[in-house]
Amino acid sequence: NAGVTQTPKFQVLKTGQSMTLQCAQDMNHNSMYWYRQDPGMGLRLIYYSASEGTTDKGEVPNGYNVSRLNKREFSLRLESAAPSQTSVYFCASTAGNYGYTFGSGTRLTVV
Amino acid sequence: GQQVMQIPQYQHVQEGEDFTTYCNSSTTLSNIQWYKQRPGGHPVFLIQLVKSGEVKKQKRLTFQFGEAKKNSSLHITATQTTDVGTYFCAEITGFQKLVFGTGTRLLVSP
Repeated sequence: NAGVTQTPKFQVLKTGQSMTLQCAQDMNHNSMYWYRQDPGMGLRLIYYSASEGTTDKGEVPNGYNVSRLNKREFSLRLESAAPSQTSVYFCASTAGNYGYTFGSGTRLTVV
Repeated sequence: GQQVMQIPQYQHVQEGEDFTTYCNSSTTLSNIQWYKQRPGGHPVFLIQLVKSGEVKKQKRLTFQFGEAKKNSSLHITATQTTDVGTYFCAEITGFQKLVFGTGTRLLVSP
């Protein structure tokens, strides 16, 4: 099915561990985004990639890095996880001037 | 930074009642999108509004963009249990970045 695929769906990390969240879209979209969603809050932008080969910081980039591997894939890396990074992470893409397509999310707990 | 406020934060209605959520900004919005997120799910795009005073309908859902482009609303007529979820408005900024509102959580009792 066409859309945005995120892996893993669930993850538990210990403080200080690292991990990479994977995201791939098969809609040939130029722009891709990583958001985090905390209980009772809206979605906050971590990083985005307006096109292949470019990445830029969003509202809450500290503690994260990203890689736009190719047009399809946009990964989010936590180098040293902290409890404050416990959240639900959503990847999204858009062709531009239309709605986002979101992945199903990664539920991350840092203990 | 940009802030898009939504009210109410939460509403509990009986099935068949109407529901409205409002999105307000202190600055002029270039355009606005609306999303629905079911419990445990991901946001799903509903609609985009661009023009001042624009009104769009999708079955029981009516979306409006204010004349001054500083507010928007989503109205659901005769709610159903399938309408349960959180409704977000979002403003499109540079590079197609979305700034999301705080969301309105809707609970519908049968």
